Amino acid sequence: NAGVTQTPKFQVLKTGQSMTLQCAQDMNHEYMSWYRQDPGMGLRLIHYSVGAGITDQGEVPNGYNVSRSTTEDFPLRLLSAAPSQTSVYFCASTPGTIDTGELFFGEGSRLTVL
Amino acid sequence: EDQVTQSPEALRLQEGESSSLNCSYTVSGLRGLFWYRQDPGKGPEFLFTLYSAGEEKEKERLKATLTKKESFLHITAPKPEDSATYLCAAQGVAGNTPLVFGKGTRLSVIA
Repeated sequence: NAGVTQTPKFQVLKTGQSMTLQCAQDMNHEYMSWYRQDPGMGLRLIHYSVGAGITDQGEVPNGYNVSRSTTEDFPLRLLSAAPSQTSVYFCASTPGTIDTGELFFGEGSRLTVL
Repeated sequence: EDQVTQSPEALRLQEGESSSLNCSYTVSGLRGLFWYRQDPGKGPEFLFTLYSAGEEKEKERLKATLTKKESFLHITAPKPEDSATYLCAAQGVAGNTPLVFGKGTRLSVIA
């Protein structure tokens, strides 16, 4: 199993550009989520999904869209990038519900918005 | 508002020098308290889940404990390979409630 795979690992964008961060998992996990991690701050939840076709907002959803058409994939779309979205983004999944707290994280996507 | 506070922000230990990391939490009913390890440039890696006060979990040189207001991660006789950032997260009792993460403690173990 590859686990949780994120692409790209690094990306530089200009303000106003759009892009999609890809996340795929091969563990048949129902729950998938996106976090951002900024210096001096804890991981903050952007969006999450409890199964295919179901998504919901987390703590910091503004400026981001998600969809969940399959169990395996959970892409994160930046609609019009802003410097405030410069961050490291992590995708995470877990079997069943989040109640076990055992999240499997990808290696991260480092985004810089100029 | 649910909140998790970790201390210290950074800790530097000599190899073999035992210590503890603290995680204080304020959640409206605790479902679970979780510890993760994060190496530089990597995603967090799950370590432990604690569900009730008095519970303890161990893995190699790490032992996590839980009280009604805080959790401790005890590191016994640490080695340089234990150097990492340790993250604590708490979850409230409502079903499917997202985890609230602390900012982490950056541990450096010097040989």
